[in-house]
Amino acid sequence: QVQLQESGPGLVKPSETLSLNCTVSAGSIGTFSWNWIRQSPGKGLEWIGYFYFTGTTGTTEYNPSLKSRVSVSADTSRNVYSLKLRALTAADTAVYYCARAPRPIGAAGHFDFWGQGIMVSVSS
Amino acid sequence: DIQLAQSPSSLSASVGDRVAITCRASQNVNNYLNWYQQRPGKAPRLLVYGVSSLQRGVPSRFRGSGSGTDFTLTINSLQAEDFASYYCQQSYSVPQTFGQGTRVEIK
Repeated sequence: QVQLQESGPGLVKPSETLSLNCTVSAGSIGTFSWNWIRQSPGKGLEWIGYFYFTGTTGTTEYNPSLKSRVSVSADTSRNVYSLKLRALTAADTAVYYCARAPRPIGAAGHFDFWGQGIMVSVSS
Repeated sequence: DIQLAQSPSSLSASVGDRVAITCRASQNVNNYLNWYQQRPGKAPRLLVYGVSSLQRGVPSRFRGSGSGTDFTLTINSLQAEDFASYYCQQSYSVPQTFGQGTRVEIK
């Protein structure tokens, strides 16, 4: 059974950069689409972006609303993928989830495994 | 972005009831429509993918239907553990988007 676990700070100051990791167990991250999704009371569930391996390389795609501030990367040697979100504001306060999809989009673009989520507050 | 509008936003029901939640997309999503259940304090859980395919381990009382832009999640014979929030999600185009959610409460 695939398991995902988020890790990172629970409190970040405005204008700083959020860095989160997602550790994947019981399966290689060398396949599938590895996503970040967040949930805040004001905006509901919001997809942030993904890293998807195509052969030996990876591709990324981001929500246009966040594209200028976000990056997702992966480290196959540690089975970890990461999120960086820059220039934080209070509006970025949310529960952040990592989630797997069989494919980035289309018929297999559903999120079949999720981490438990990590609450991130942006405040000085 | 494709907008997904769920209705109702909340409903009250009793154990044993049949409930239906609808999801309307702002454009055709080619049946790439998925449903999730979320209990308080927990991550969403995939119930149905591709409109009507039941995820492994999900009870058969959950049923998805629809096509094009209009979709429905039906829960037959509601059980105590089904009181939760439900979200639809489209995986047709980037950015993947979710409905605003439907809370199913105990009457």
